[in-house]
Amino acid sequence: QKEVEQNSGPLSVPEGAIASLNCTYSDRGSQSFFWYRQYSGKSPELIMSIYSNGDKEDGRFTAQLNKASQYVSLLIRDSQPSDSATYLCAVKRTAGNQFYFGTGTSLTVIP
Amino acid sequence: KAGVTQTPRYLIKTRGQQVTLSCSPISGHRSVSWYQQTPGQGLQFLFEYFSETQRNKGNFPGRFSGRQFSNSRSEMNVSTLELGDSALYLCASSLVRDSGTTKNIQYFGAGTRLSVL
Repeated sequence: QKEVEQNSGPLSVPEGAIASLNCTYSDRGSQSFFWYRQYSGKSPELIMSIYSNGDKEDGRFTAQLNKASQYVSLLIRDSQPSDSATYLCAVKRTAGNQFYFGTGTSLTVIP
Repeated sequence: KAGVTQTPRYLIKTRGQQVTLSCSPISGHRSVSWYQQTPGQGLQFLFEYFSETQRNKGNFPGRFSGRQFSNSRSEMNVSTLELGDSALYLCASSLVRDSGTTKNIQYFGAGTRLSVL
């Protein structure tokens, strides 16, 4: 079983719609959760970090964490073509500093 | 504040050669992690350094090694290059380790793209 699993997509949504990205993780002791965005040929950039159950909103982005079900999601409201990228879910366990990354979900926002 | 700086940005080597990549973390960041990214495997963890000591190591052969200097700058070395080592090598730094706060966020450099011919 992989540490972090994501649907690889591709996921296509029309401009202005809500994009929903999901991620599950295997280690119940994980404490820190992250969403990174990676444009083609570029390095990952942090979008959101979340550490406790519930929702965390930042502009058009909302991260949702459910530790009991071991999943974390990212909602992108009012999707824009510039949101077209690969979204990486990352999880860090309680001990140590190793991040475990999913393989990413490719999102395309259609104008 | 300057971000994570990786040099060089691009490298072309031939099989059997060795290569050294450099990473300068964000000022004040003490943890440096290295990743290999390929289209088929995604982001694979290589190793993490903190206070000049390797703290974690991923599942890579001994040809991959690294070190960290007292100023937190880090280098990774790959010896006896193979075609399969062609990848984007990413360095990420964080302020601290073992934290459940934003201090453990990893920030990535632009990467070094290595091509092995």
